[in-house]
Amino acid sequence: DAGVIQSPRHEVTEMGQEVTLRCKPISGHNSLFWYRQTMMRGLELLIYFNNNVPIDDSGMPEDRFSAKMPNASFSTLKIQPSEPRDSAVYFCASSLKGGGATDTQYFGPGTRLTVL
Amino acid sequence: LAKTTQPISMDSYEGQEVNITCSHNNIATNDYITWYQQFPSQGPRFIIQGYKTKVTNEVASLFIPADRKSSTLSLPRVSLSDTAVYYCLVGEGNAGNMLTFGGGTRLMVKP
Repeated sequence: DAGVIQSPRHEVTEMGQEVTLRCKPISGHNSLFWYRQTMMRGLELLIYFNNNVPIDDSGMPEDRFSAKMPNASFSTLKIQPSEPRDSAVYFCASSLKGGGATDTQYFGPGTRLTVL
Repeated sequence: LAKTTQPISMDSYEGQEVNITCSHNNIATNDYITWYQQFPSQGPRFIIQGYKTKVTNEVASLFIPADRKSSTLSLPRVSLSDTAVYYCLVGEGNAGNMLTFGGGTRLMVKP
């Protein structure tokens, strides 16, 4: 298996622009997670899907952020409009079952976002 | 969620055994202890998980005392490629219970 695939790997944009990050989970996995990592705040969970349904989006920082999972093999995280403080590495992860400590998460390589 | 405390950073030399201890004083009965490893410019990856006593796999060992209020990740004979951030996570095994990544321990292995 190719693992979790994320695109783009790097994104540089200007403040106010719309940014869309993409993720393809491991085939057969039922849960998908979006995380954001910064030096200041570490690794934060933004949103978690199970069977394509958003279960917990309490980590989404504000209305500028939205995430969708139209099918089992694709998810997007959109930021509109983007701001410099959104600069971070965004990770997507997937797991086989419904989450929880015993459900190993497999992370993608991340998308490094820079908002100028 | 059980709060975890681990050293911010550690240094070691190639060939040494490294032990990273994590404190989780308010661990609950249903909680598992999980360690993830993150190399620079990569996403975290699962290393090992345990509930009590000792667990060993091809990468590491995990020691958990009887009271489960702490755990120790042991890396035998580290190499330069073991330089990474190591996260200790504590959480329930049930679906829907999310894991929280803390600051982790930044391990630097020197030649």
